[in-house]
Amino acid sequence: DAGVIQSPRHEVTEMGQEVTLRCKPISGHDYLFWYRQTMMRGLELLIYFNNNVPIDDSGMPEDRFSAKMPNASFSTLKIQPSEPRDSAVYFCASSSTGYEQYFGPGTRLTVT
Amino acid sequence: AQSVTQPDIHITVSEGASLELRCNYSYGATPYLFWYVQSPGQGLQLLLKYFSGDTLVQGIKGFEAEFKRSQSSFNLRKPSVHWSDAAEYFCAVGADSARQLTFGSGTQLTVLP
Repeated sequence: DAGVIQSPRHEVTEMGQEVTLRCKPISGHDYLFWYRQTMMRGLELLIYFNNNVPIDDSGMPEDRFSAKMPNASFSTLKIQPSEPRDSAVYFCASSSTGYEQYFGPGTRLTVT
Repeated sequence: AQSVTQPDIHITVSEGASLELRCNYSYGATPYLFWYVQSPGQGLQLLLKYFSGDTLVQGIKGFEAEFKRSQSSFNLRKPSVHWSDAAEYFCAVGADSARQLTFGSGTQLTVLP
């Protein structure tokens, strides 16, 4: 299996622009998680899905952030409009149990 | 709610020396415990996990961890560290009631030649 795939690996954008991060989970995994990692706040869970349904989005920082999972093999995290404080590494992880999570390589987002 | 504390922000060891990284958790019931490793520019890789049973668990890359309920700890150990073990290590706890993990702040490991 190719593992969790994330794209793009790096994204540089200007403040106010829309950013879309993409994730393809491991085939057969029913859980998908979006995390954000920063030096100041560490690793934070933003939202997670089970069977394509959002279960807990309490970590989503603001209405500027939204996540979708239209099917079992694809999810997006969108930031609109982006702000410099959104600069971070965003990870997607998937799991068959919800506990053992397998992480993608991450997307490093820089908002100038 | 569960929480995880990794008291050591940075640890330096010589290659070939033994290693122990500390992890303390807070959770009312039996927790699910994990150790992950993150190399620079990479995602997190699962090293080992504890769900129940034998309190000493073996993982990949020669790592092991011991669950001690009385001390609320789940320390990671390796008898002989290799230069390639230099990375950041995260302890995480999961609750039975929710399919999500709470991560510690991480311990950065430096290995001296």
